[in-house]
Amino acid sequence: DTGVSQDPRHKITKRGQNVTFRCDPISEHNRLYWYRQTLGQGPEFLTYFQNEAQLEKSRLLSDRFSAERPKGSFSTLEIQRTEQGDSAMYLCASSPRKTGSPLHFGNGTRLTVT
Amino acid sequence: GNSVTQMEGPVTLSEEAFLTINCTYTATGYPSLFWYVQYPGEGLQLLLKATKADDKGSNKGFEATYRKETTSFHLEKGSVQVSDSAVYFCALPNNAGGTSYGKLTFGQGTILTVHP
Repeated sequence: DTGVSQDPRHKITKRGQNVTFRCDPISEHNRLYWYRQTLGQGPEFLTYFQNEAQLEKSRLLSDRFSAERPKGSFSTLEIQRTEQGDSAMYLCASSPRKTGSPLHFGNGTRLTVT
Repeated sequence: GNSVTQMEGPVTLSEEAFLTINCTYTATGYPSLFWYVQYPGEGLQLLLKATKADDKGSNKGFEATYRKETTSFHLEKGSVQVSDSAVYFCALPNNAGGTSYGKLTFGQGTILTVHP
């Protein structure tokens, strides 16, 4: 168990630029989740995948956000035309399909939009 | 939808002190309830859970009892250590059946600092 890996750890970008984050889940986990956490708040659910299928998206996920998991392994989260309000910690988590399995979180990617 | 309210403000304690972090929830039915912990520099990890009313979850000396009468799931530890310094999050599923362990609603988190 090498844990959930996220890259990069930090990203600073200018408003209007596009950014992409990567998440590598634990290898045998077929469910993958994206959360967003702003300062002083708990994580908020954004979207989740079972294998390569994106099964649910939160209303928080505007049309500037897109997530993919093309081969059912790693996932990417892209934000287009970034805004200052996008500044947050983006967390990835994975779990096996077995009922009752907890989430395993990565350390997150901190995005700062200037 | 389901929601959770966690006590506000950081908590600062001396080693061996008693800890309580309050958590109350609003939900349809009786969802599973969780406490997650985030140690400095690490990702969130599940600390304990309870899946039905009156269940007590426990781990690493921490306990929380699922109280449906008061819709609460307070976290307690009898004697905290410096290594318990972390951010603690109460959470519950936000799917209709309250059964999802992945799609969660989290509280705002409570920062715990324990001094020697």
